[in-house]
Amino acid sequence: EAGVTQFPSHSVIEKGQTVTLRCDPISGHDNLYWYRRVMGKEIKFLLHFVKESKQDESGMPNNRFLAERTGGTYSTLKVQPAELEDSGVYFCASSQYRGQGNSGANVLTFGAGSRLTVL
Amino acid sequence: AQSVTQLGSHVSVSEGALVLLRCNYSSSVPPYLFWYVQYPNQGLQLLLKYTTGATLVKGINGFEAEFKKSETSFHLTKPSAHMSDAAEYFCAVSDRPPPYLPTFGRGTSLIVHP
Repeated sequence: EAGVTQFPSHSVIEKGQTVTLRCDPISGHDNLYWYRRVMGKEIKFLLHFVKESKQDESGMPNNRFLAERTGGTYSTLKVQPAELEDSGVYFCASSQYRGQGNSGANVLTFGAGSRLTVL
Repeated sequence: AQSVTQLGSHVSVSEGALVLLRCNYSSSVPPYLFWYVQYPNQGLQLLLKYTTGATLVKGINGFEAEFKKSETSFHLTKPSAHMSDAAEYFCAVSDRPPPYLPTFGRGTSLIVHP
């Protein structure tokens, strides 16, 4: 099966510009997640979609970040206007998790990430 | 709140030597624990996970990890390093309410010398 696909792999923009990152999850995965890693630091949670609904957006840094998942398929993450501190690698992940009982672990499948550099 | 500490941002070993990547966690309840690996220009790939049962967990590519509750550790090991093991490794813990999202450590870059 195809994995999680992210585009672009690398984007370099000027401060104040807009960038849109796209994620195509594994087909059939209702759950889609965005994470971010600033250089040398932890991979941090941004938000979680279940189908087209935002389940948890507690990790979104501020209102310059807008995530959408129209139709419950692919998702976009827009940063507008971009600031220097937004530089990092943005990971998308998906999972089939539906609240299984015995093994509650939710195993996420990650994409290769989109590296954003804001100059 | 859950958290993960990975000791050493870089670990360097010779090919054929033992690999030991350290991970300590804090969790208020029995955790689920994971190791992910990121090879250059690829996504995060699940190496192994601990949920319940046997505390020694075997993963892909000859890696294994042991859950030690008394030490709150989940160290990753491999008896003999291969050049292809050079990558960045992330330890993660999840003990939140469903959907059990992972909290990651800062990652450890494994460097393998010929």
